[in-house]
Amino acid sequence: GIQVEQSPPDLILQEGANSTLRCNFSDSVNNLQWFHQNPWGQLINLFYIPSGTKQNGRLSATTVATERYSLLYISSSQTTDSGVYFCAVSTNFGNEKLTFGTGTRLTIIP
Amino acid sequence: DSGVTQTPKHLITATGQRVTLRCSPRSGDLSVYWYQQSLDQGLQFLIQYYNGEERAKGNILERFSAQQFPDLHSELNLSSLELGDSALYFCASSPPLGDRGYSPLHFGNGTRLTVT
Repeated sequence: GIQVEQSPPDLILQEGANSTLRCNFSDSVNNLQWFHQNPWGQLINLFYIPSGTKQNGRLSATTVATERYSLLYISSSQTTDSGVYFCAVSTNFGNEKLTFGTGTRLTIIP
Repeated sequence: DSGVTQTPKHLITATGQRVTLRCSPRSGDLSVYWYQQSLDQGLQFLIQYYNGEERAKGNILERFSAQQFPDLHSELNLSSLELGDSALYFCASSPPLGDRGYSPLHFGNGTRLTVT
């Protein structure tokens, strides 16, 4: 099956800093989504981005499908950004059998 | 609030027992997915239902089963429970692909199962 690697595994930053999280995948994908799992365990959908670039406030994401990676940018980090960020991919257009990466744990220090 | 409702939030039971987890999808979503999140396996896809029919199967054990009812709510049944089944079980739902060509996945808050 498709392999998904996320880096770095852990990231500790001061409030206000910017960060870049990376997701590499082993095969062509038709579905790629980024999720944030907050410290209470809730999984929040951030982006659906199998290719191209999207922005939502302080967050943006870019997927370079031909090179099999995606980047999530967080600018001006806030403590509420803490948690684990997951990349999930599938060769299908739908959500069946989405494969999740192992995540990047982000800790924002006030 | 994602609109996906899961009950109960917590469940503590003994080995060998059987439990049922319940999920109500977001209004209008026909697909329901079950995921298991454990420390050693991460987030793993278990099974998907679409409008009452099983659509896809992942790493779901034979001791586990699921169904989706006519009102679209879904139940995940876990039987002959083992210590290793302790995990966070998530339900998610998504709308049909439709004209947009994409279908974002929305998760419920999960059921934390502890097997003692």
